[in-house]
Amino acid sequence: AQTVTQSQPEMSVQEAETVTLSCTYDTSESNYYLFWYKQPPSRQMILVIRQEAYKQQNATENRFSVNFQKAAKSFSLKISDSQLGDTAMYFCAFMKLYSGGGADGLTFGKGTHLIIQP
Amino acid sequence: KAGVTQTPRYLIKTRGQQVTLSCSPISGHRSVSWYQQTPGQGLQFLFEYFSETQRNKGNFPGRFSGRQFSNSRSEMNVSTLELGDSALYLCASSFQGVETQYFGPGTRLLVL
Repeated sequence: AQTVTQSQPEMSVQEAETVTLSCTYDTSESNYYLFWYKQPPSRQMILVIRQEAYKQQNATENRFSVNFQKAAKSFSLKISDSQLGDTAMYFCAFMKLYSGGGADGLTFGKGTHLIIQP
Repeated sequence: KAGVTQTPRYLIKTRGQQVTLSCSPISGHRSVSWYQQTPGQGLQFLFEYFSETQRNKGNFPGRFSGRQFSNSRSEMNVSTLELGDSALYLCASSFQGVETQYFGPGTRLLVL
């Protein structure tokens, strides 16, 4: 079974600063996806970014980028020029892919509560 | 395209009752997954339905069941409710279940 660990329960930064959220995972699988989702106070789960394990290049989406270290099983999220609207719970998630098609359900970490201060 | 919708948004039940939650996926998506979110256990996978068949199942008791219809809409049923079933139930859809999952707003269930 896979496990996902987010070691920072809460982080607080000033608006416009850069912040990095940590995530490590434990798996013996070679074919998988990794995700970062955010959950603002509305509780709506919103996709931030996705990384395919077979890709060496780190994924980026505007102000959001990841540092994917496959050998170290590390998947951190960097948020540049942080904004007040980035305040939310951030969840790291793992999805195992089956060679014959299909995938496991998402395995989530416990989350990091990110607070952006004005 | 409309997003994932879930009904009802809020629900209050008493112990021993049963409840049915509904999820309509994004148009064209054939995979629907259900998750339970609680403060203590976090986010946990319940099950996934694809083309009207349960394809994957998490570690939950048999009181939790689901089904999927030919239009890909899915329902989740919890029988004999317990206080510990109080949670936010999230539904997520994807095209075939091996891509990004897009989540609905959730149904908040309170069991008294």
